[in-house]
Amino acid sequence: EAQVTQNPRYLITVTGKKLTVTCSQNMNHEYMSWYRQDPGLGLRQIYYSMNVEVTDKGDVPEGYKVSRKEKRNFPLILESPSPNQTSLYFCASTGLVPTGGSGELFFGEGSRLTVL
Amino acid sequence: AQSVTQLDSHVSVSEGTPVLLRCNYSSSYSPSLFWYVQHPNKGLQLLLKYTSAATLVKGINGFEAEFKKSETSFHLTKPSAHMSDAAEYFCVVTPMNTGFQKLVFGTGTRLLVSP
Repeated sequence: EAQVTQNPRYLITVTGKKLTVTCSQNMNHEYMSWYRQDPGLGLRQIYYSMNVEVTDKGDVPEGYKVSRKEKRNFPLILESPSPNQTSLYFCASTGLVPTGGSGELFFGEGSRLTVL
Repeated sequence: AQSVTQLDSHVSVSEGTPVLLRCNYSSSYSPSLFWYVQHPNKGLQLLLKYTSAATLVKGINGFEAEFKKSETSFHLTKPSAHMSDAAEYFCVVTPMNTGFQKLVFGTGTRLLVSP
């Protein structure tokens, strides 16, 4: 089954304790992206990756890091989490149209993070 | 620059009545436009997309949307609401044929369906 898998789905942590949210897709997609969803703000892009070893900042990258060492994985790293990073996080992937993909974004089910 | 405005944060309908969720966009380039649906505790799922072919786009679950360039709108409609349509809906814009670097999401419209 084609899917994007995020872990953990729920996490409560404390300020300053490094954490990683993993994201894996099994569709051989080139493009992967992280979003955060906050009430009244919709989804905002944190980072995206057009392919292995190619990453770039989205609209709200401060306090986050990513890496793309393999095509299927795109972890989101919070080196020193703060309470303003409490949010619902989504990973998404797509095959790009120029390389035969559909352009449809496939989303994981979300990771709800609370930073105390 | 691009932006998306979803004109209603909440829409309430009765089961069996029409649904209209409004979206206006602004884009410096010819846009691709999408509607996504998010059910509680789930990720987003694509409903339909416009990418310069027919201006009336049909999606899943009986939804459709019409691209109106003169009005810069991409409203989502359904003739008859079902209880299972209760969810949050997002309108999304991106420049056509330039990849997905600058997907811009609207703030969402929550659709409530009463029996």
